[in-house]
Amino acid sequence: AQSVTQPDIHITVSEGASLELRCNYSYGATPYLFWYVQSPGQGLQLLLKYFSGDTLVQGIKGFEAEFKRSQSSFNLRKPSVHWSDAAEYFCAVGMYSSASKIIFGSGTRLSIRP
Amino acid sequence: DTEVTQTPKHLVMGMTNKKSLKCEQHMGHRAMYWYKQKAKKPPELMFVYSYEKLSINESVPSRFSPECPNSSLLNLHLHALQPEDSALYLCASRGVSGATNEKLFFGSGTQLSVL
Repeated sequence: AQSVTQPDIHITVSEGASLELRCNYSYGATPYLFWYVQSPGQGLQLLLKYFSGDTLVQGIKGFEAEFKRSQSSFNLRKPSVHWSDAAEYFCAVGMYSSASKIIFGSGTRLSIRP
Repeated sequence: DTEVTQTPKHLVMGMTNKKSLKCEQHMGHRAMYWYKQKAKKPPELMFVYSYEKLSINESVPSRFSPECPNSSLLNLHLHALQPEDSALYLCASRGVSGATNEKLFFGSGTQLSVL
């Protein structure tokens, strides 16, 4: 069965510092991989996605993620965080089918230190 | 129009009430989803409709009854809920015509409180 693990529950970084959020997945084939961001009481917004091709994916708001098949990882990075990046970040994995499940990891809460 | 609209934004109901949550999208998406999200937890899949037919029910209790009257609308009918059903209920939609449509578009959710 597919699953996704985010090992870090809460991360605090200083404004302007670099960021890396970890995500590991379990799936029998190459999955669809996503990173979503959620502000309190709001829906989720897609940051970026990976389906195939170039393993380094660029997203919105200056985020990028790298798919590493050998490590079953899809870590999210940003070179310099802004206070507005404070939010909950979810990694998600989906299957190739017309009515696919998209399963979310447990999330990582990002706090920004002024 | 790239929005998924959910109403109401907030709902307080008693355990004997009957209420409905509504979700609407006009992007031509043919897959629509209900997720339940408890505080500080990830969204949990409840139901998936594909081409207006229920394709996935994640063993959700019968007090939650989904309905997809047409390709733009998705309802969630609530009856005899329990306090532990209090959560943010998120609707999402997705096109099914190809890999590039695998992105989920989320509504901002309905915050439900059951007293």
